[in-house]
Amino acid sequence: GDSVTQMEGPVTLSEEAFLTINCTYTATGYPSLFWYVQYPGEGLQLLLKATKADDKGSNKGFEATYRKETTSFHLEKGSVQVSDSAVYFCALSPRGQNFVFGPGTRLSVLP
Amino acid sequence: NAGVTQTPKFQVLKTGQSMTLQCAQDMNHEYMSWYRQDPGMGLRLIHYSVGAGITDQGEVPNGYNVSRSTTEDFPLRLLSAAPSQTSVYFCASSTWTDQETQYFGPGTRLLVL
Repeated sequence: GDSVTQMEGPVTLSEEAFLTINCTYTATGYPSLFWYVQYPGEGLQLLLKATKADDKGSNKGFEATYRKETTSFHLEKGSVQVSDSAVYFCALSPRGQNFVFGPGTRLSVLP
Repeated sequence: NAGVTQTPKFQVLKTGQSMTLQCAQDMNHEYMSWYRQDPGMGLRLIHYSVGAGITDQGEVPNGYNVSRSTTEDFPLRLLSAAPSQTSVYFCASSTWTDQETQYFGPGTRLLVL
């Protein structure tokens, strides 16, 4: 079946450092890909998404590109802030079907 | 517009007890779902509903029941709680035409002793 693999962390960075969180997937067909973020004590929020190969999703300085050839959707940000500390989930959605989530990556940004 | 609300925020149960986790949304969303979140496993789908009166099983439905009598509410019932059901439970909703944009509630943390 479909699955998502991502680095579990925790990832600890200093403020203004570059962030990469790796995500790879296994799926039949051409799913949409997502990054969700969960801030402490809150539910998940959609951060960005991409619906087809080579699409780049972006939001709040975060970016991820849908790479079909490497089945990857790595999350990047050029300069992280303390407020970016959260758990980040990579997910996929086969067309018209339910989501499959990765295990989440906890990010801590130190001042 | 409160979005997706869940009650309670935290609950402790003894093995064998029953309880209902409440979920409500005020966005007139047709699609609603329940997930459980466990360390190292991400979110797993328990049950979902595509509209009032229609429910279906997800990846991990055993031990849970659901019903959808109204568009707004989608309660999750644990008939006989087990320690394996200790988890954080999230409810989510979306429109039928844009299921890729899910709105999540704040979660219910459940501890079964």
